Amino acid sequence: GESVGLHLPTLSVQEGDNSIINCAYSNSASDYFIWYKQESGKGPQFIIDIRSNMDKRQGQRVTVLLNKTVKHLSLQIAATQPGDSAVYFCAEMGDNNDMRFGAGTRLTVKP
Amino acid sequence: DSGVTQTPKHLITATGQRVTLRCSPRSGDLSVYWYQQSLDQGLQFLIQYYNGEERAKGNILERFSAQQFPDLHSELNLSSLELGDSALYFCASSVGHSLEPQHFGDGTRLSIL
Repeated sequence: GESVGLHLPTLSVQEGDNSIINCAYSNSASDYFIWYKQESGKGPQFIIDIRSNMDKRQGQRVTVLLNKTVKHLSLQIAATQPGDSAVYFCAEMGDNNDMRFGAGTRLTVKP
Repeated sequence: DSGVTQTPKHLITATGQRVTLRCSPRSGDLSVYWYQQSLDQGLQFLIQYYNGEERAKGNILERFSAQQFPDLHSELNLSSLELGDSALYFCASSVGHSLEPQHFGDGTRLSIL
């Protein structure tokens, strides 16, 4: 299994900088990918999604990039704010409805 | 607020016991999903129900069972509890049954003493 909590990869950025969080997914047949944000004591919160027929999707201050060749997903957060500090999970879903979550990355924003 | 409600927020019990966790999905959502989040296993998908019927099954132990009722709320039953069952249990819901965002509740923290 994958680890969360104490052994999470960590990314520390300065407030106002851009953040890039990376994720390698496992199933080349996955059709759908989602990024979630989880704050302490809360459930995962949907940020942005992308289907396998796209390679880029933009939201408000966030962009998801999908590279199916190398099975890589990234989340870019523009002008990172202290409120963005959280654990970020990527998730993949195939046609069996089984959503698989990555290990998560802890983002810390320094003021 | 995701609109998904889970009760109770915390549950403390002993080994060998049985507990029931409850979830009310967002208004209009027909699918309910259950996940377990522990320190050493991350977020693990357990089971999905869609409009009252089991739709997909993940890493759910035989000691665990779930159901979705006609009003679409769901319950996760955990029996013969072991220390290793201590975890956060999340419920999520979505409108349909695949390839769309799932919206999570804030979880039930289960502690086995």
